[in-house]
Amino acid sequence: IAGITQAPTSQILAAGRRMTLRCTQDMRHNAMYWYRQDLGLGLRLIHYSNTAGTTGKGEVPDGYSVSRANTDDFPLTLASAVPSQTSVYFCASRSGTSSLDEQFFGPGTRLTVL
Amino acid sequence: GQNIDQPTEMTATEGAIVQINCTYQTSGFNGLFWYQQHAGEAPTFLSYNVLDGLEEKGRFSSFLSRSKGYSYLLLKELQMKDSASYLCAVKDSNYQLIWGAGTKLIIKP
Repeated sequence: IAGITQAPTSQILAAGRRMTLRCTQDMRHNAMYWYRQDLGLGLRLIHYSNTAGTTGKGEVPDGYSVSRANTDDFPLTLASAVPSQTSVYFCASRSGTSSLDEQFFGPGTRLTVL
Repeated sequence: GQNIDQPTEMTATEGAIVQINCTYQTSGFNGLFWYQQHAGEAPTFLSYNVLDGLEEKGRFSSFLSRSKGYSYLLLKELQMKDSASYLCAVKDSNYQLIWGAGTKLIIKP
């Protein structure tokens, strides 16, 4: 793999179900992010991790949890999905060695909660 | 609160020049980014400004005025493949990116 991969590509989920979105990067980047993108709104930060073993809450963390057990993986879990969590989810990473470095994005997961 | 404003949509003609504006009010400023996002795809990095002035990169240029809280992205010699959304993002005092809603650019032949 090269860059950032996300799985699944898309998913239709019944409300109340638990779901984990996977994100893996092979660039040895320190920092990783989860965003959601909704029509008419900018990317909104859900959770982030500045380095393996640490996580932080973003702008819209409620209903989501993350873990960062190692450098490469940053899964996002919806404990009990609700229709308002229907969105496109992007995982991103940056090297974290400089405040100037850009974020690289995965291809996204399109999630529909019914 | 933190706010980034961009026009929702713009239309331009192939071969022409277009300027996409971005104004921001954020808690702190540690740089401004422009990303391009084609429909159904992920955002990709275009440019970064942290000091006032113009940064040129091929057909694309980005300008920043920190005192005015203002930036623009200038696209020259427009091509059909430039049809995309252009996202403005500011890195705030916590070094997190605050994103505008994006400007959808439609290129007509």
